[in-house]
Amino acid sequence: EAQVTQNPRYLITVTGKKLTVTCSQNMNHEYMSWYRQDPGLGLRQIYYSMNVEVTDKGDVPEGYKVSRKEKRNFPLILESPSPNQTSLYFCASSLSSQGSYEQYFGPGTRLTVT
Amino acid sequence: GEDVEQSLFLSVREGDSSVINCTYTDSSSTYLYWYKQEPGAGLQLLTYIFSNMDMKQDQRLTVLLNKKDKHLSLRIADTQTGDSAIYFCAEAFTGKLIFGQGTTLQVKP
Repeated sequence: EAQVTQNPRYLITVTGKKLTVTCSQNMNHEYMSWYRQDPGLGLRQIYYSMNVEVTDKGDVPEGYKVSRKEKRNFPLILESPSPNQTSLYFCASSLSSQGSYEQYFGPGTRLTVT
Repeated sequence: GEDVEQSLFLSVREGDSSVINCTYTDSSSTYLYWYKQEPGAGLQLLTYIFSNMDMKQDQRLTVLLNKKDKHLSLRIADTQTGDSAIYFCAEAFTGKLIFGQGTTLQVKP
């Protein structure tokens, strides 16, 4: 089944403790992206990657890192999480970065930072 | 800059039509999308419209695009309780989607 998977689905952590949220897709997509969803703000892009070893900042990249060593994986790293990073995170992928290609979304990771 | 706005809440009765509205500021996008998010789930693409179209119909869904007013709408005919969800409009640019805040649709039996 074609899908985007994220792990973990739920995470509660404390300020400053490094964490990684994994994202994997099995559709051989070139483009992958991370979004965060906050009430009243919709989804905002954190980082995206147009291909292996190519990553770029989105609209809200502060406090996050990403890597794209393999085509299928695009982990999101929070080196020193803070409470303002409490949010619902979505990974997405598509064949291409062109706007005409549908983005497929993972099920989301709900992160709470205390 | 790019900005997409939606009203936050809409309540309708089962069997009525629902109209969810969206306005945007940057008209250079080539595609505009409607996504649906059910509770606890990710986003599911509902439909899309190419920017040189005025209307697109897909079963119970009708998308209207007014480029002059930068206004996009999604009409759901014969709304069912299963349509209760958050609906996002989004503009597509190279490398990203710009989302509205999402409209929560409540369908009362």
